[in-house]
Amino acid sequence: DAGVIQSPRHEVTEMGQEVTLRCKPISGHNSLFWYRQTMMRGLELLIYFNNNVPIDDSGMPEDRFSAKMPNASFSTLKIQPSEPRDSAVYFCASSLTAGDEQYFGPGTRLTVT
Amino acid sequence: GESVGLHLPTLSVQEGDNSIINCAYSNSASDYFIWYKQESGKGPQFIIDIRSNMDKRQGQRVTVLLNKTVKHLSLQIAATQPGDSAVYFCAVRNDYKLSFGAGTTVTVRA
Repeated sequence: DAGVIQSPRHEVTEMGQEVTLRCKPISGHNSLFWYRQTMMRGLELLIYFNNNVPIDDSGMPEDRFSAKMPNASFSTLKIQPSEPRDSAVYFCASSLTAGDEQYFGPGTRLTVT
Repeated sequence: GESVGLHLPTLSVQEGDNSIINCAYSNSASDYFIWYKQESGKGPQFIIDIRSNMDKRQGQRVTVLLNKTVKHLSLQIAATQPGDSAVYFCAVRNDYKLSFGAGTTVTVRA
C-alpha cells in the first residue's frame, strides 16, 4: 500500500486566498484525522471522521476552516480566507477503526504570506 | 483534558550509546501510551506502544517503561544509530484522540 497520500506537499499563498489540502487515506481504513503541527502548539487534532462522517471537529480553530470527506478515499481541508497564522504543517492520518494505530501522511507545509 | 510534557527538548548522543527520552502525562486515568518518531519532512511514525496494565514493553532496540505512580514514561533506544536521528513524541490515546507531547530532538554524533 502507498500509505496515506497528501497533496500538495508544499503550498505558498497570500493572505486572503483560499487554500485546499487533500488527503487519500489508506484503502479500507474507516477513520480519518486532520492534524496541524506548529512549533508553538505542537501536534493538534483538528477534526476526526468515521465512515466519512465528521465526529469531532472541536479542534477546528475557527469558521475559516472546513473539512469534508465526500467518500471513503478522499478528504479535503479548506481554509478560506487564509491568514499568516495558519502557516503550519498539516497532516492527515487514517486508521482501520477509531481505536487502531494511526498512519500519518507526509504532510502539507503551508506558508501564508 | 490531557497534558503531555517532555523533560528535555533536545538530546545529543554518541553513536552506539543508549538513548533515554522521558515524558510525563497528567491524567491518571489514561491507559494507552504511544511513542512516535518523526524524521525531517515526514509524518510521525509509530514506534512502540504500552497499555497501563504493563510497566515495560520491548521492541527491536527500543523499550518503553511506564511508571503509573508518577505518571511518567520513557523510551530507551539501544545502540543508537545515525538513522535514529529524529524528533520523538510521546502520545496518550483516549479512544480515538491522541494528545502529543512537545517532542525531543535526538541527534546522533558519529
